[in-house]
Formats: sequence, C-alpha cells, structure tokens
Amino acid sequence: AQKVTQAQTEISVVEKEDVTLDCVYETRDTTYYLFWYKQPPSGELVFLIRRNSFDEQNEISGRYSWNFQKSTSSFNFTITASQVVDSAVYFCALSDDRDDKIIFGKGTRLHILP
Amino acid sequence: DAGVIQSPRHEVTEMGQEVTLRCKPISGHNSLFWYRQTMMRGLELLIYFNNNVPIDDSGMPEDRFSAKMPNASFSTLKIQPSEPRDSAVYFCASSATGVSNYGYTFGSGTRLTVV
Repeated sequence: AQKVTQAQTEISVVEKEDVTLDCVYETRDTTYYLFWYKQPPSGELVFLIRRNSFDEQNEISGRYSWNFQKSTSSFNFTITASQVVDSAVYFCALSDDRDDKIIFGKGTRLHILP
Repeated sequence: DAGVIQSPRHEVTEMGQEVTLRCKPISGHNSLFWYRQTMMRGLELLIYFNNNVPIDDSGMPEDRFSAKMPNASFSTLKIQPSEPRDSAVYFCASSATGVSNYGYTFGSGTRLTVV
C-alpha cells in the first residue's frame, strides 16, 4: 500500500533561516509521482512541484528546492532564507501510474516568525 | 481560466438536514476528485470520477454520502442526513488524465459546519 509520512507536525523558525520539511514515502510501484502542495492560512491548496520516479535530479525554484532520493524513499523540501509569507501547511503527496489518485501526507505546519 | 469552482464557500446546517456541495471542474479536465480535510484525518480522498464515471468510491465514509457527475462540467457531493462529525472542509479537484499525472488543481473548498 502507498503511504506518505511527514514526521514533522509543526516547525517554527525565525525569518531568513533555512528550513527543511521531510517527506518519506512507501510504494511498491516502480513508476510513481511525488508532489508538494502548499496550504496558506487562506485555505486553498496550491501545487508546488511534481517529480516522477525516474527523475532524481534535484530541483531549485527561487528560494525553494527539492531533494529526491530513491535510496531512502525521501522527497524533502527546503526553503532558503524563509519569509513570513512562507507560513503555511505543506503537504507531500504520492501517486502511482495506474490511476490519478493522490495520497497525501498529514502535512507540516510551518511558522515563520518575524 | 476560472479554475475549479466550488459552491458554497461556507455551509452551516442542522444535524439531520441534507447538504449538497457543488463543483465545476476546469474545462477539458476529465478527472474529478472529492477530498475531505479534517484536523484528525488530514486530506482524505472520498471519490473520484474519470470521464464522468465513478472509478473509486472506497473513501466514501458511509451510505449517507453520495456523489454524482451528470456531465463533464458539474459534480455534486451530497450528505443525507448530515451529522456533526461531517463538519470539515470539502475540496474538489480536477486533472487531465493521460498525461502521466501532472497533479490536480484544487477548488477553494467548502467549509461545512453541522450543528
């Protein structure tokens, strides 16, 4: 069965610090997709990134970066030089290649303190 | 593109009443998903449709919940009768299948409170 674990329930850091959100996944499939979504205080769910299982290249988008390591079944998300606007709940998610169902982790609530 | 549109944004109802949540997916998307979000259980997939056909409803909590998709541009999630434990935020999402799952676009959600 597929499973996504976000062990960090809540994290608080001071603005401008770097912060890494952990994500560990379980799947028996060789083809799968990993996602990160952001849920700001306003409540909507915003897509951040998708990565397929055959692409282990790390990705950087501005202050955001993602580290995908199949050897440890992890897909971690780092925010560099955090800002107050980064305060949100962040969800890691997993989907296989058989259908479009996405399984979400429980989320990590990130507080960026001014 | 207007995105995924859900209505109403907020719903307060009394226990025992029927509640209907509505969703209009993005035009051209052929998969539609209903999720429920609670503090205790996080984001749970309730049901999803592909080309208007229900594919997997294993997440529907019980017979009080039903979902329909009469056409490609409209879906409803109905709870009858509603109970206080149904209070949650219900999200609808849509995606275009056949493109190796690029992820969903979510609606803004309906916050349901059953008193």
